This record gives sequence, C-alpha cells and structure tokens, in this order.
Amino acid sequence: KAGVTQTPRYLIKTRGQQVTLSCSPISGHRSVSWYQQTPGQGLQFLFEYFSETQRNKGNFPGRFSGRQFSNSRSEMNVSTLELGDSALYLCASSSGHSATNEKLFFGSGTQLSVL
Amino acid sequence: DQQVKQNSPSLSVQEGRISILNCDYTNSMFDYFLWYKKYPAEGPTFLISISSIKDKNEDGRFTVFLNKSAKHLSLHIVPSQPGDSAVYFCAASRSGGSNYKLTFGKGTLLTVNP
Repeated sequence: KAGVTQTPRYLIKTRGQQVTLSCSPISGHRSVSWYQQTPGQGLQFLFEYFSETQRNKGNFPGRFSGRQFSNSRSEMNVSTLELGDSALYLCASSSGHSATNEKLFFGSGTQLSVL
Repeated sequence: DQQVKQNSPSLSVQEGRISILNCDYTNSMFDYFLWYKKYPAEGPTFLISISSIKDKNEDGRFTVFLNKSAKHLSLHIVPSQPGDSAVYFCAASRSGGSNYKLTFGKGTLLTVNP
C-alpha cells in the first residue's frame, strides 16, 4: 500500500510569488491535513479536508488556502509569499471515518524556500 | 501560546540505557496524546499513543506515562538503540473538537551514542 505522496520535494520561490503544493493520501483515506514545520514553531496545523470540504482550520492568514478533489488528493496554495513562509509543509492522511481519535500518516513534505 | 511544550530541545544517551522524553501541556481539554518520531528528510511517523483514561501504555521498548494532575507525559525508551536517534514530537488532541487537528510540541532531538 503506497504511503502519502507529496510533490514537489523542494521548491524555491521569491517574495510575492504564489505556490501550489500537492498531496496524494493513502488509498482509501478521505481526510487530508496540512501542517507547517519551522525550526522555531514546530509543527503547526493549517487545515483539514474531508470529502472535498474544509472541516477544520488553523490560525493562518487567508494567503494560505487549500482544496480537496473527489479522489481525495489535496492541494494547498500560498499566495503573495513572504520570507517567513519558508518551511517544511507536511501533509497527513487518515480515514476520517472514526468518531474517536485516529493516527495521522505523514508524507515526507515539501521544503519551501522563499528568497 | 504554546499549549504543548517539550522543554528539552535535545537529549543524549548511551546505547542500552533508558531515554526519557518529557512533554507538558496546558489545555485541560486535551484527552488523547501521541508521540511521533521524525528522521531528517522524512515525515513524522506514529510511535505510540495514550488516552486520558489510562496512565500508562506500553509497546515493546516504548512506554508512555500520563500524569493528568500534573498535565505531564513522558516517553520511555528501554533499551535505547542508535536507530532511535531522531526528533521526537509530542502531540495532543481533544474529543469533541477535531480529532484530526493535533497540537504539537516543538520536538526533542534524541541522540543515542553507540
């Protein structure tokens, strides 16, 4: 069973540009979450999608957005990039069905550098 | 406001000895706790979890202890092996909120020396 796949692995952009990151969850999983990892702040929750709907959102500005497709693949977009957006962006998937707590399975991440 | 705190950025232990990683939380609504391990250039992988109705959970060499009154949990690795060298993240979630929103600590880098 393939794991969570994130593309691209590395990305270099300049301030003011926008970027789109992609995530393919484990087959059969319908929930996709996104996290930002920075050395100073650890892993911070961005948002979670389930069945093409944003179900939960973290405390990030509107420049950060996402969407989920009918095949559960997800994309996140960051517009008007700032230097502080340089980070490792991690996608995690889970079945999304359980009413109780569930483990998340993470991809290897996309390392974004903003120059 | 850091709701999950790992106050030790790094820990170094000898192979074969016990590694103890600590985590404190401030939100009393948290009722489920997890530990993830992360190697460089890889995503975090789930290690072990504990529900607030328990005070201990064991899985092989890994044991997590939860002290609800102190809002403190710890991960014990016995015996430690060089392959355990990684960053360990403590995470928490709460029922009734989103089970898919985990609040993470900043991580502790564990180095196990041969």
